Amino acid sequence: DQQVKQNSPSLSVQEGRISILNCDYTNSMFDYFLWYKKYPAEGPTFLISISSIKDKNEDGRFTVFLNKSAKHLSLHIVPSQPGDSAVYFCAASADNNNDMRFGAGTRLTVKP
Amino acid sequence: SQTIHQWPATLVQPVGSPLSLECTVEGTSNPNLYWYRQAAGRGLQLLFYSVGIGQISSEVPQNLSASRPQDRQFILSSKKLLLSDSGFYLCASGLAHEQFFGPGTRLTVL
Repeated sequence: DQQVKQNSPSLSVQEGRISILNCDYTNSMFDYFLWYKKYPAEGPTFLISISSIKDKNEDGRFTVFLNKSAKHLSLHIVPSQPGDSAVYFCAASADNNNDMRFGAGTRLTVKP
Repeated sequence: SQTIHQWPATLVQPVGSPLSLECTVEGTSNPNLYWYRQAAGRGLQLLFYSVGIGQISSEVPQNLSASRPQDRQFILSSKKLLLSDSGFYLCASGLAHEQFFGPGTRLTVL
């Protein structure tokens, strides 16, 4: 079962504009959420995370928003840069579990 | 910080042949270890995870198996590969709240 969903397989934005990547989850036990960035032929790298006790976490150009009631989170990148072009995976975990669930990923293309 | 080693980086194998992918971890002890597969056009699928030597949990029934003979070694195996086993295999280490990934192995089954 797909407990973490990224419904947009791809997103294209212009350099300098905002990129918004969305993620929905179904398991109310999830209490920690992460975004990973992946380039082709490489492993994913951790980008930013948020605990369920917060609704926003910001790190430079990257901000993650969490709406627990809607079971929705989003990653905002502003301003977007061509180097941000990659596949972005949303992930979620529950404190009492040993695993993490990933979404299918969204391929972001930032055009110069 | 942790370093995850995977080899080989790429592998082309015929259908029905065996498989052994190895993952080793540096910079940590007694890590949780994970095998994921990223198939073409799909996300990361958790295949196996291990919380200790000899302890393997399987997430998806399949013709793959995993073993953890040492604390920082995790092996993914198959006795007979299927075409559907093609994909990008990732080893990860860490806890549920944050994982570090290896560089991956691109497996093509012909």
